[in-house]
Amino acid sequence: GAVVSQHPSWVICKSGTSVKIECRSLDFQATTMFWYRQFPKQSLMLMATSNEGSKATYEQGVEKDKFLINHASLTLSTLTVTSAHPEDSSFYICSARFRPSGAETQYFGPGTRLLVL
Amino acid sequence: AQTVTQSQPEMSVQEAETVTLSCTYDTSESDYYLFWYKQPPSRQMILVIRQEAYKQQNATENRFSVNFQKAAKSFSLKISDSQLGDAAMYFCAYLNNNAGNMLTFGGGTRLMVKP
Repeated sequence: GAVVSQHPSWVICKSGTSVKIECRSLDFQATTMFWYRQFPKQSLMLMATSNEGSKATYEQGVEKDKFLINHASLTLSTLTVTSAHPEDSSFYICSARFRPSGAETQYFGPGTRLLVL
Repeated sequence: AQTVTQSQPEMSVQEAETVTLSCTYDTSESDYYLFWYKQPPSRQMILVIRQEAYKQQNATENRFSVNFQKAAKSFSLKISDSQLGDAAMYFCAYLNNNAGNMLTFGGGTRLMVKP
């Protein structure tokens, strides 16, 4: 299957700082990537859809200025949590759209655990 | 809006036995995909199996198979010869080609495998 990486896997930061998370498709090009947030023992919540070369589409209730998304190339999307606060502490997961022979699939990165002190 | 429901928060199976995880979904679309993803304690989401709605034949991947009932909007996952490594959270997911290709997830089922 296709491989998606995420970096960093763990990050601890002080309140008020910004944190950037990278999502890369390693062996395929992804025009579309997705960012999710997952709270403990809960399902994944879609935050935004990241499209290469255009603005991201945010889900209702997700602050655009808080969670900045940039999809500058066909293999890289970044999520920047600006002015992080303790309530932003969570598990963030990205996925990349993969369509071998037209069959729709999404592959996920390993996730990033963010702890804001 | 599409919804995906997993009615079993937890399931348990004896090693080497078979277990079936349930999933139902609600949609008015005819062209879509359904997935089962596994999330072990590492929290890496792993694709288990995929089903195209236009295909009548149920998808199979080694010990994993689905029972896709399109009219009933049901998509259950059967795990045969359960192994200890199968213990994880399992998420059913729906994808609509005509709605941004985003996944809609069910609430998940925690599968425990007893040795």
